[in-house]
Amino acid sequence: AQRVTQPEKLLSVFKGAPVELKCNYSYSGSPELFWYVQYSRQRLQLLLRHISRESIKGFTADLNKGETSFHLKKPFAQEEDSAMYYCALGASGTYKYIFGTGTRLKVLA
Amino acid sequence: EPEVTQTPSHQVTQMGQEVILRCVPISNHLYFYWYRQILGQKVEFLVSFYNNEISEKSEIFDDQFSVERPDGSNFTLKIRSTKLEDSAMYFCASSVIFGGPGEQYFGPGTRLTVT
Repeated sequence: AQRVTQPEKLLSVFKGAPVELKCNYSYSGSPELFWYVQYSRQRLQLLLRHISRESIKGFTADLNKGETSFHLKKPFAQEEDSAMYYCALGASGTYKYIFGTGTRLKVLA
Repeated sequence: EPEVTQTPSHQVTQMGQEVILRCVPISNHLYFYWYRQILGQKVEFLVSFYNNEISEKSEIFDDQFSVERPDGSNFTLKIRSTKLEDSAMYFCASSVIFGGPGEQYFGPGTRLTVT
């Protein structure tokens, strides 16, 4: 079955500290993986997709097929990074996302 | 930058009533989606729509649900006879990519409260 697991509901870090938001997936085929962010009272916005391999707002994520992971990382957290982060899996041949339960990141001053 | 819009932002309805949630996808996008998020739970896929027909739907999307693109801009989700458990945030999304989920652009959501 296709599944996305985000083990942490809440992650609190101090400003300037490194951040890693975990995402593991279960899918037998070749996945497309995404990170979406939802700032307070705003819509879901695409942050990263694994295909593009770019860095957005200092965040990076590498697909590790051996560990079936797509963890989101940032070396130095900023207060404005506080938001809800969702990992999403797009299975080939389908048009849907399968979302994880999300991790709330709180960056403390 | 173009955005997906949704109306209303909040809808309160009584159990058993019909509701229609409206979405205006980004104008050059070809694929349209509805997702829902029950409070405290994950975002769940409901249905995808392409070329005026449903391309995929989840087990949640039963006979009580229907989708329509009544004109060139709107995309609607109808719930025929609402139940208490339909209370959720409903998100519309659209994408332009063919052949897979691609990058989906989400609307701000409609909060549906069924009393």
